[in-house]
Amino acid sequence: DAGVIQSPRHEVTEMGQEVTLRCKPISGHDYLFWYRQTMMRGLELLIYFNNNVPIDDSGMPEDRFSAKMPNASFSNLKIQPSEPRDSAVYFCASSLGLLDEQYFGPGTRLTVT
Amino acid sequence: AQKITQTQPGMFVQEKEAVTLDCTYDTSDPSYGLFWYKQPSSGEMIFLIYQGSYDQQNATEGRYSLNFQKARKSANLVISASQLGDSAMYFCAMSDGGSQGNLIFGKGTKLSVKP
Repeated sequence: DAGVIQSPRHEVTEMGQEVTLRCKPISGHDYLFWYRQTMMRGLELLIYFNNNVPIDDSGMPEDRFSAKMPNASFSNLKIQPSEPRDSAVYFCASSLGLLDEQYFGPGTRLTVT
Repeated sequence: AQKITQTQPGMFVQEKEAVTLDCTYDTSDPSYGLFWYKQPSSGEMIFLIYQGSYDQQNATEGRYSLNFQKARKSANLVISASQLGDSAMYFCAMSDGGSQGNLIFGKGTKLSVKP
């Protein structure tokens, strides 16, 4: 398996623009997680899905953030409008079961100017 | 509330020696999992090792072992025979039934292996 795939790897955008981050989980994994990593706050869970259904989105910072999982092999995270404080590395991860190890994608480094 | 504490912001170890990275956790849930991840300078998060709260034996994966002391709520990572490529950030993480799969991460320990 190719592992968790994320695109793009790097994104630079201007404040106010819409940003879309994409993720393909490992085939057969029922859980998909979106994390954000910053120097100040470390790794934070934003939202996670079980069998394509959002289970917990309490980590989503505000209404500007949204995430969907239309099928078992794809999820996206959108930020609209983007702000400089959204600059971070965004990771997608997937796992087989609820408490199983999560495998992370390479991350998307987002810079909002 | 769940909590993970890594008290060592940075560690140095001589190549080929063993090193222990500390991790303590706090949870009231009897069922939980403990994880260690490695993040090299390239940025990816690499899963290293897992310990379940009901596992009787300490987890081992190659040169990595987890020193699980349940009563003390500690889950230290031991890396044997350190290699230059082990230089990275190491994160301890936990999930339990209360967090419903949410991995709570510690702040990490930066390990530097000296030749």
